[in-house]
Amino acid sequence: AQSVTQLGSHVSVSEGALVLLRCNYSSSVPPYLFWYVQYPNQGLQLLLKYTSAATLVKGINGFEAEFKKSETSFHLTKPSAHMSDAAEYFCAVSGGGTSYGKLTFGQGTILTVHP
Amino acid sequence: NAGVTQTPKFRVLKTGQSMTLLCAQDMNHEYMYWYRQDPGMGLRLIHYSVGEGTTAKGEVPDGYNVSRLKKQNFLLGLESAAPSQTSVYFCASSYFYRSVETDTQYFGPGTRLTVL
Repeated sequence: AQSVTQLGSHVSVSEGALVLLRCNYSSSVPPYLFWYVQYPNQGLQLLLKYTSAATLVKGINGFEAEFKKSETSFHLTKPSAHMSDAAEYFCAVSGGGTSYGKLTFGQGTILTVHP
Repeated sequence: NAGVTQTPKFRVLKTGQSMTLLCAQDMNHEYMYWYRQDPGMGLRLIHYSVGEGTTAKGEVPDGYNVSRLKKQNFLLGLESAAPSQTSVYFCASSYFYRSVETDTQYFGPGTRLTVL
């Protein structure tokens, strides 16, 4: 079975500060990991994904994440927060050997950016 | 391309009523999914389809039915709505490129359903 835990349901940062959103996974098989972002009243949009190539993955809007197998983590970072980054972020895992690409999502982290 | 669209955007039902949510995609994707999103629980898979004419159960299928008569459309039905089905429903689709487990799922804007 696979699972994802996002540490912190709410994260608040100042504009220009480092953004760090935490994600830990549990998987009995090599995982594939995703970060999605959801802006208010919109659907989810892919930020980046890890598919067993480079462990440091760069995504859109200046975000990146590093896959650390020893820590079973895939934390999302951005060096300098912008007001437009305020949204809800979801970490998800696949790779359970299914034939249909089952995604298991974390609970979500709401990012607030203060001026 | 419109991507993934969902109809309607909002709906209020009374307990016991039925309704159908429509998802349409214009990207020629094989795989389509229905999720529900509840506060603090992330997204959970209700049903999915790996191609026209095929459907299967996800994690939380009870109380829902689906159909995929055309490749571009995936319908989610509630036969007898219950307050526990109050949620935001998202449809997603993906294209089988190299591995379905690494393919990106593209999401629609969601349908907010309230059951009184």
